[in-house]
Amino acid sequence: AQRVTQPEKLLSVFKGAPVELKCNYSYSGSPELFWYVQYSRQRLQLLLRHISRESIKGFTADLNKGETSFHLKKPFAQEEDSAMYYCALTEYGNKLVFGAGTILRVKS
Amino acid sequence: GAGVSQSPSNKVTEKGKDVELRCDPISGHTALYWYRQSLGQGLEFLIYFQGNSAPDKSGLPSDRFSAERTGGSVSTLTIQRTQQEDSAVYLCASSLAGGPAKNIQYFGAGTRLSVL
Repeated sequence: AQRVTQPEKLLSVFKGAPVELKCNYSYSGSPELFWYVQYSRQRLQLLLRHISRESIKGFTADLNKGETSFHLKKPFAQEEDSAMYYCALTEYGNKLVFGAGTILRVKS
Repeated sequence: GAGVSQSPSNKVTEKGKDVELRCDPISGHTALYWYRQSLGQGLEFLIYFQGNSAPDKSGLPSDRFSAERTGGSVSTLTIQRTQQEDSAVYLCASSLAGGPAKNIQYFGAGTRLSVL
C-alpha cells in the first residue's frame, strides 16, 4: 500500500537556521512526489513537485529513490516559513496520499 | 479566474441530520477530488471524479457518504445521518487532466463541519 511518513510532528528552529523536513514513502511504482504547505488561515497550496526540480521560496527537495525519501530543505529559515507542511504522492494523477504533516515554527 | 470555491465555509448540524457540501472547481479542470482533514486522521482521500469515468469511491468511510458531480463541473458531497466523528474540514481540489500541470491539485478553502 502507498504510504507517506513524516516523522516529526513539530520542528522548531531559529530564524536563519537551516531547515530539513523529512519525508519517506513506500510505493512499488513510480509516484510523483509533492510538498504542500498550509499557512495560518490559508488554503492548502502546492510548494514543490519533484519533477519540476525548482526552488520555491528558497526551498528545495530531491527525490532519492534508493532511500525512498523526498526531504524538504531550506538553508536559512525565515519567520514567514512558519506553517504546516505536508508531503504527498500520487500516481497517474489520481488521489494524493498525504503524510501526517509537520508544523514548522521559526522563532525570532 | 477564481480558484476552487466551496460552500458553506462553516456548517454546524445536529447528530442524525443530513448535510450537503458544495464544490465549484476551477473552470476547465476535469478532475475533482474530495478529502477530509481531521485532527486524528490527517488528510484523507474520499472520492475522485475524472471526466465521464466512473468515480473512484474507495476512500468513502461508510455508505452514509456519497458524492455526485453534475455536468462535469460542480460537485456535492452528501453525508447522511451525521455522526460526531464526521466533524472535520472537508476539502475539495481540482486539476487538469493533461499537460505539464497535470497532477497539480488546487484546493478550496474547505468546509468546516461540526456535528453536535
